[in-house]
Amino acid sequence: DIQMTQSPSSLSASVGDRVSITCRASQSISSYLNWYQQKPGKAPKLLIYGASSLQSGVPSRFSGSGFGTDFTLTISSLETEDLATYYCQQSYSTPYTFGQGTKPEIK
Amino acid sequence: EVQLVESGGGLVQPGGSLKLSCAASGFTFTDSAMHWVRQASGKGLEWVGRIRSKAYSYATAYAASVKGRFTISRDDSKNTAYLQMNSLKTEDTAVYYCTRPSNTYGDYVGWGQGTLVTVSS
Repeated sequence: DIQMTQSPSSLSASVGDRVSITCRASQSISSYLNWYQQKPGKAPKLLIYGASSLQSGVPSRFSGSGFGTDFTLTISSLETEDLATYYCQQSYSTPYTFGQGTKPEIK
Repeated sequence: EVQLVESGGGLVQPGGSLKLSCAASGFTFTDSAMHWVRQASGKGLEWVGRIRSKAYSYATAYAASVKGRFTISRDDSKNTAYLQMNSLKTEDTAVYYCTRPSNTYGDYVGWGQGTLVTVSS
């Protein structure tokens, strides 16, 4: 199975800060890396697919990069509505494993 | 627009069984794989398993934690996927989501609202 290691598990940032979350796969997954945002009590929402493609309707302050084993989700200017838990997921091979999640908090 | 509606969750005793349903609309169900993902309270997302379309012989795959106990099936005439859960354990307590993967990168653009399964005596 492919293991996904996401870091950090939590972070503290101010509104307007640039925030980055990284995800590392235990083997190459090409561009089969997706990012989701989940708010309490809600289903996850797709933000980025194929490592760097922005899902329709997602604000442009979200971006993704990476290929192979190392990936990054960046929020260019953190807003209060971005308070949620973020998960990476590999869809290269089953089981489609998720990272452990990252929860930003506002300073 | 992709719409997925799960049902069938509830309280069940350890060792018991439960069958979840996922009613789908807004896309060509017969051409799509269907996946199940679960989330225990306060925990992360865990992939449970998937069933592919008829074109791929309805092939299934499961997480190691549920293999041999859970079975995914589908009824293309009803646009519905199912998750049959047997020999349930307390650690299977979670919200269960059905999802539809895209044809490009397998990302989950559509999610149901989730259904809660509680395994407790």
